[in-house]
Amino acid sequence: GDSVTQMEGPVTLSEEAFLTINCTYTATGYPSLFWYVQYPGEGLQLLLKATKADDKGSNKGFEATYRKETTSFHLEKGSVQVSDSAVYFCALSDNGFGNEKLTFGTGTRLTIIP
Amino acid sequence: DTAVSQTPKYLVTQMGNDKSIKCEQNLGHDTMYWYKQDSKKFLKIMFSYNNKELIINETVPNRFSPKSPDKAHLNLHINSLELGDSAVYFCASRGTRRGDTEAFFGQGTRLTVV
Repeated sequence: GDSVTQMEGPVTLSEEAFLTINCTYTATGYPSLFWYVQYPGEGLQLLLKATKADDKGSNKGFEATYRKETTSFHLEKGSVQVSDSAVYFCALSDNGFGNEKLTFGTGTRLTIIP
Repeated sequence: DTAVSQTPKYLVTQMGNDKSIKCEQNLGHDTMYWYKQDSKKFLKIMFSYNNKELIINETVPNRFSPKSPDKAHLNLHINSLELGDSAVYFCASRGTRRGDTEAFFGQGTRLTVV
């Protein structure tokens, strides 16, 4: 079945540091890939997505590139801020739309210190 | 205007009670989900409905019964609550048209069974 393996946290960085959170996946077919973010006390929000190989999703300074050859979708940001402190989830969905479930990674808690 | 709304946000109840969580979406989506998030932030799908029909039931105990009166609503009823049911429950919805890839989540319901 589908699965997502995500870098274990927690991750603590200083403000303005470079961030990478690794994500690899296993899926049949051609899944869509997502990063969701959960701020404290809130629900999940879509951060970015990519629906086919070599697509790059980007939002709020975060980027991730869909790499089919390495089955990866690593999240990066060049300079993190305290407001980026949250839990980040990598997720996939087979075929990209319809009633297929979203399969999530275990989440990575990120804390940015001033 | 909230896209996916859940009520209540917090629910504290005693073991053995029966409780319901309501979810409504105003996005016109065909598919709705319930996810359970445990204390370690791990997200696990419970149910998926498409146009009021049950599509996914991920080995959830029979004490959990989803009900979809129409495609904009997916409520979760839980009988005979147990301590292990304590978690945050998230409702989500998703479109089925081409290009509708991501799911939209509610703010979550924190259920505490004492």
